Amino acid sequence: SQELEQSPQSLIVQEGKNLTINCTSSKTLYGLYWYKQKYGEGLIFLMMLQKGGEEKSHEKITAKLDEKKQQSSLHITASQPSHAGIYLCGADNGTGRRALTFGSGTRLQVQP
Amino acid sequence: KAGVTQTPRYLIKTRGQQVTLSCSPISGHRSVSWYQQTPGQGLQFLFEYFSETQRNKGNFPGRFSGRQFSNSRSEMNVSTLELGDSALYLCASSSTQGAGTQYFGPGTRLTVL
Repeated sequence: SQELEQSPQSLIVQEGKNLTINCTSSKTLYGLYWYKQKYGEGLIFLMMLQKGGEEKSHEKITAKLDEKKQQSSLHITASQPSHAGIYLCGADNGTGRRALTFGSGTRLQVQP
Repeated sequence: KAGVTQTPRYLIKTRGQQVTLSCSPISGHRSVSWYQQTPGQGLQFLFEYFSETQRNKGNFPGRFSGRQFSNSRSEMNVSTLELGDSALYLCASSSTQGAGTQYFGPGTRLTVL
């Protein structure tokens, strides 16, 4: 079965600083999803990557999928308190079935 | 469009009881998936329903079951509750078109005493 490892597990940054979260898969990624979760709440969809080398951006968040499709990174530029939360990467198993495997999450705190 | 809704948001039950959780998907979405989130195991896939049929199931005991209705609304049931079933249960819906991004509801927080 596929496993996703996220690093770091937690991160505390000063407001305005940049940061990167990594997600490494034990198998080739067919679809890689990034979600954000506020504690105890539902997941908010951020971005989805499918092609090797693909990069997507939304506001100050950029996600990349490496050429070999086994690692993805999420980069936040000029962090703000509103970026605080838990970031989760999820992998599609490539069968077309809607069953995602998730990493353990990265808890981000942004200090004003 | 309205998002995914889940009811109830919070639930307290005792061991041995059973519970039913409900999920209404985004209008037009026919696939509904359920996940369990706990501090120890993280976010784990339970099952997926499409057109009233379960087409994928995670590694959970038979006490966990679900169904989907003709309007795509879904319910999941847990029988003979155990303390370890305490978790946040999340429902996600997706379209059958394109990449099939899953959109999640706010979750139901189940506490088993």
